[in-house]
Amino acid sequence: QKEVEQNSGPLSVPEGAIASLNCTYSDRVSQSFFWYRQYSGKSPELIMSIYSNGDKEDGRFTAQLNKASQYVSLLIRDSQPSDSATYLCAVSGSTLGRLYFGRGTQLTVWP
Amino acid sequence: DVKVTQSSRYLVKRTGEKVFLECVQDMDHENMFWYRQDPGLGLRLIYFSYDVKMKEKGDIPEGYSVSREKKERFSLILESASTNQTSMYLCASSLGGRNSPLHFGNGTRLTVT
Repeated sequence: QKEVEQNSGPLSVPEGAIASLNCTYSDRVSQSFFWYRQYSGKSPELIMSIYSNGDKEDGRFTAQLNKASQYVSLLIRDSQPSDSATYLCAVSGSTLGRLYFGRGTQLTVWP
Repeated sequence: DVKVTQSSRYLVKRTGEKVFLECVQDMDHENMFWYRQDPGLGLRLIYFSYDVKMKEKGDIPEGYSVSREKKERFSLILESASTNQTSMYLCASSLGGRNSPLHFGNGTRLTVT
């Protein structure tokens, strides 16, 4: 069973702060990593993908990957109340096409 | 933009009924998936399909079956619905290959009474 672990949270940060979301995975063959945002009652929405070690920035979002440590993170700069959601980490495995999901971290950004 | 459409947003069925959940994608994606999502348990994979008429069991296939007769359509079937199948059901599709993200439909909230 592939394991993808996330801080269950909830994580609470003030508006304008940096929110840091973490994810570790067990399968060393994993090559693709994704972050999804899920608002309450809605379906997951892809916000970031990363495939190589290092940082990848997209607007206020930065994904960080360290394959040696089997660790991937998502930083949200200048957090806004609209960022309040559950964030899901997803990781590829040896089964082609299949992704393995963490249980998510609930983020609340308070004004 | 990828569009994954699930036929119903809310569904209420009785115990023992046969239930069909339909999913259609419009981007010629190879892979399609059915998940259920329950509080505290996260997303759990029921079945997935790599191609027409192909299917693979996920982590919780018991009580479910699937059908993929056309590339764009993937159906989830509950042969005899039970109350423990009350859940949010999410369909997803992906292009194929190792680096493809999943694109989700809006979900079907199924209640079995």
